[in-house]
Amino acid sequence: AQSVTQPDIHITVSEGASLELRCNYSYGATPYLFWYVQSPGQGLQLLLKYFSGDTLVQGIKGFEAEFKRSQSSFNLRKPSVHWSDAAEYFCAVGGDPGGGADGLTFGKGTHLIIQP
Amino acid sequence: KAGVTQTPRYLIKTRGQQVTLSCSPISGHRSVSWYQQTPGQGLQFLFEYFSETQRNKGNFPGRFSGRQFSNSRSEMNVSTLELGDSALYLCASRGTGSPSETQYFGPGTRLLVL
Repeated sequence: AQSVTQPDIHITVSEGASLELRCNYSYGATPYLFWYVQSPGQGLQLLLKYFSGDTLVQGIKGFEAEFKRSQSSFNLRKPSVHWSDAAEYFCAVGGDPGGGADGLTFGKGTHLIIQP
Repeated sequence: KAGVTQTPRYLIKTRGQQVTLSCSPISGHRSVSWYQQTPGQGLQFLFEYFSETQRNKGNFPGRFSGRQFSNSRSEMNVSTLELGDSALYLCASRGTGSPSETQYFGPGTRLLVL
């Protein structure tokens, strides 16, 4: 069965500093990988996704992620965080985005706190 | 284009009751998926509907059911509510169900079971 691990439950970063959120996945075939962000009381917004091709993908709000098959990782990065980036971040995997036998499988999330 | 809408946004029920949640997808989208989000279990896939047919189902008891109408609007029903059903229920839609499509999520319905 597919699974996603986000090792960091909470991360605190100073405004203007760089950010990296970790994500490791387990999937038997070529995965489809996603990062979503959730602000308090809101639904999920897609930041970026990886299906194939270039392993470095660019997303919205200045985020990027790198797919590393050898490490089964899909870490999210941002060179300089803003106070508005404070939110919950979820990594997800699926063989068929939104479909497949089990739908999307999400990690437990990483809560990002921004220090002024 | 209007986003995914879910009604109601908040709901309080008591154990043993049943509840129906509604989801209106983005116009033109035919696939609707439902997810349950709880602090303990995180986000879990419930089921997906496409063109009025359930295409995929997660590992939830039969008390959780859904349906989709010809206009792609979807409802999910939970019968005989339990305290553990308290959660944020998220609906997501996408167009034709192609693997390259993005899922767009609604704001969710927060259900509290007392």
